[in-house]
Amino acid sequence: AQSVTQLDSHVSVSEGTPVLLRCNYSSSYSPSLFWYVQHPNKGLQLLLKYTSAATLVKGINGFEAEFKKSETSFHLTKPSAHMSDAAEYFCVVSDNTGFQKLVFGTGTRLLVSP
Amino acid sequence: GAVVSQHPSWVICKSGTSVKIECRSLDFQATTMFWYRQFPKQSLMLMATSNEGSKATYEQGVEKDKFLINHASLTLSTLTVTSAHPEDSSFYICSARDRYGANEKLFFGSGTQLSVL
Repeated sequence: AQSVTQLDSHVSVSEGTPVLLRCNYSSSYSPSLFWYVQHPNKGLQLLLKYTSAATLVKGINGFEAEFKKSETSFHLTKPSAHMSDAAEYFCVVSDNTGFQKLVFGTGTRLLVSP
Repeated sequence: GAVVSQHPSWVICKSGTSVKIECRSLDFQATTMFWYRQFPKQSLMLMATSNEGSKATYEQGVEKDKFLINHASLTLSTLTVTSAHPEDSSFYICSARDRYGANEKLFFGSGTQLSVL
């Protein structure tokens, strides 16, 4: 079975400083991994995905994530936070079989202060 | 980009009534749609997977007779919460996958906030 653990429920940063949102995964198969962002009362938007190609994945809005198999991690980073980055972020794993169901982490709320 | 329209965005109903939520893929054909439930400050929990023209596959612990899912066309899936109770109050989100893509072609609706009085 697949699972993801988001290590921080809340992360607070100042605008212009780096962002690090941590995610560890567990999967019996070669996983696909995703980061989604959810703004208040909005649907989910895909930030980036890893599907067994390059281990460093670049996404939208300056975000990137590195797949580290040895550490079973897929942490999300951004060099410089912007106020508009404040949102809920979900790390997600897919098993790449059958319906390719997604399993969501519990989410990390990113707070950005001026 | 691809758009998934979910309607209504919020609904308030009385206990014992039924509520229908629609999920439409506006500019692509979706053979598979997923329905999720999200409690406040919690993650999304997959409720069921629906495939066009066939019965939905429900996750363990989800009552299929309570949460009726219909996926009658390649662009529409509906979730009906039957005989709703206050404990059914939650945020429901659908997602639709482009028939020609894998999970990179998965798009989410904006969600429906259901409040049962």
